[in-house]
Order: sequence, then C-alpha cells, then structure tokens
Amino acid sequence: QQQVKQSPQSLIVQKGGISIINCAYENTAFDYFPWYQQFPGKGPALLIAIRPDVSEKKEGRFTISFNKSAKQFSLHIMDSQPGDSATYFCAASKGTGGTSYGKLTFGQGTILTVHP
Amino acid sequence: GAVVSQHPSRVICKSGTSVKIECRSLDFQATTMFWYRQFPKQSLMLMATSNEGSKATYEQGVEKDKFLINHASLTLSTLTVTSAHPEDSSFYICSARDEADTQYFGPGTRLTVL
Repeated sequence: QQQVKQSPQSLIVQKGGISIINCAYENTAFDYFPWYQQFPGKGPALLIAIRPDVSEKKEGRFTISFNKSAKQFSLHIMDSQPGDSATYFCAASKGTGGTSYGKLTFGQGTILTVHP
Repeated sequence: GAVVSQHPSRVICKSGTSVKIECRSLDFQATTMFWYRQFPKQSLMLMATSNEGSKATYEQGVEKDKFLINHASLTLSTLTVTSAHPEDSSFYICSARDEADTQYFGPGTRLTVL
C-alpha cells in the first residue's frame, strides 16, 4: 500500500514537445506529492509539488495534474528542452503525525531524453 | 531555495574500514533529516529518519549497527558506515525537512569500497 508506480520508464521527446510522466498511488493517506529532477551524479532537486486540495498546479513550464478519485498524478513539461534531459521521480508522503510523517515514497523514475 | 550540503562528495575506502558522511542544512534548521541509498539506475530507498536529539528510526532491513546515524544539531546529521564492504558501495543521499515540511536533498556521496 506504500507503493508509488511511475510510468513510463523512459521517454524520448523532441525539442519543443510536451513530456508527460504519470504516477499512481494506493495509500489514500498520502497528502503531499512532489516531483524531483535528478541529473547523473547529483542529488534530486525539487521541481514542483501539489497537495490534494487542488487538481492542478503550474510553475513555469512544469504542471502537475492531480486526480484524487483515480489516485493518480502526472507531470507535464511544456516546450521540452535538451537541458530537461534527466531522470524524474514522483514521490508521495503523509503529512500527519506518526512514524510515517514526512517519509517520501518514490516512484521508480523516468529517464527523459529531449532531442534537439 | 534551501541548500543542503554533503561531505565528502566522493570517498573510496578499503574493506573493513568505517566511513563518515556529513549532511548539513546551510540556511535553515532541520529537526528531521533523512538518509537514502540509491543504486545505479534505480530509485531512492529510504534507509533511516534522523531526528535531532533522539535516536534514528531505521527502515525494515537496514542494519542500525552498520549504519550509525547521529543528529547532533539542527543543521547536522552524520551517517557512519561501519566495517564497510564492497556491497555497501552506493550513492548515499541525505535530505532535510524545513518548517514547511518541504524536503531538500543534498548532492549525494559516492561511496566505493574496495
């Protein structure tokens, strides 16, 4: 019930295209859903995050769409650029107290390649 | 955004030795830090939760006597890999949680045990 399933495993997009990465979760107690970008040999960097009280959040070229009833959320990268080529991880955590408070459960990751 | 540093960024050691990795939150206080392990082309796996002033909480399957965690202050947590073996070679990443419950990750430490 702690799993977060991410797809696709890899994605190739042309420059200027839209990159879409999907995640699905099972635990309805999750209430914080961040996306991280990781370059080889570096730590993950927070891109954008959403809480279940909204269905969409946009920051620049990055948009999270959230479907609470379906327990799914997705990352859309508009106008994808070669510099966006990286591994993207979705994650989820529970915000209330208890031993699981704040622990992030990560998806399996998506390797995005944007061709010039 | 908030900055988390790790030291060293890369370490090579001989089998049987111990290695200490430091995680610091540079511009905020973190009562909670997390330690992750990441194998090549895989996701991050949470090893333990480090709470300032108290014992760390380890995930199932993580040996607490092998991976010693100390959270001595609100800006510093350390992970010591004791009696390291080649199978401990991995990328170790810490994160620190700020008052808004946002987790910021360090740049990672590449450990290679010969």
